Amino acid sequence: QVQLQESGPGLVKPSQTLSLTCTISGGSITTDLYYWNWIRQPPGKGLEWIGYILYTGTTNYNPSLKSRVSISVDTTKNQFSLNLASVTSADTAVYYCARFYGVDIAFDSWGQGTLVTASS
Amino acid sequence: QSVLTQPPSMSAAPGQRVTISCSGSSFNVGKNFVSWYQQLSGTAPKLLIYDNHKRPSGIPDRFSGSKSGTSATLGITGLQTGDEADYYCGTWDNSLNVVVFGGGTKLTVL
Repeated sequence: QVQLQESGPGLVKPSQTLSLTCTISGGSITTDLYYWNWIRQPPGKGLEWIGYILYTGTTNYNPSLKSRVSISVDTTKNQFSLNLASVTSADTAVYYCARFYGVDIAFDSWGQGTLVTASS
Repeated sequence: QSVLTQPPSMSAAPGQRVTISCSGSSFNVGKNFVSWYQQLSGTAPKLLIYDNHKRPSGIPDRFSGSKSGTSATLGITGLQTGDEADYYCGTWDNSLNVVVFGGGTKLTVL
């Protein structure tokens, strides 16, 4: 059974870059047709999709964040990563990594989430 | 404001049945499969329903899903106190080219 685990700093200063990594265990990031995603949830609010990457490096980002977001993959480490530039307090959220299969947008595996606070 | 509309809160007694609606448009719910998630307090969301009505292994048949036109519905029968959670619907939006979620429904089991 695949497991996902987020890691990275819990505190980021405004205007700096938020960087998180998702490590996959119990499965391979190179399995065909799996899409590896980042999703965030501000405190007390709903879910917001950030973007996805395939192991080939193909990405798709939420247009509302596209100018600041970059998602990359490291198949040798079975990891994918999120960079979000120029953060503000509005980027304070629990960040989840999650996967879906094929064209069916159903996130069947999620990391436990990590709280990132943007504050000086 | 979310692209998919859900009631913010609902409540029901143990043993009763509840239905949670998810209203969208022809660009999202009307065109694509809908999934539903349960988020217990302080935990990550968990997939309850995919492809509008299918249940992943391990999800009890008390949970059901359906879709008609641009609306989807999650049904929960035989409510238990352990079902108290936030519930979210999600799908792809062909116009915005993003995954969209409902705003979430907080279910209270009295």
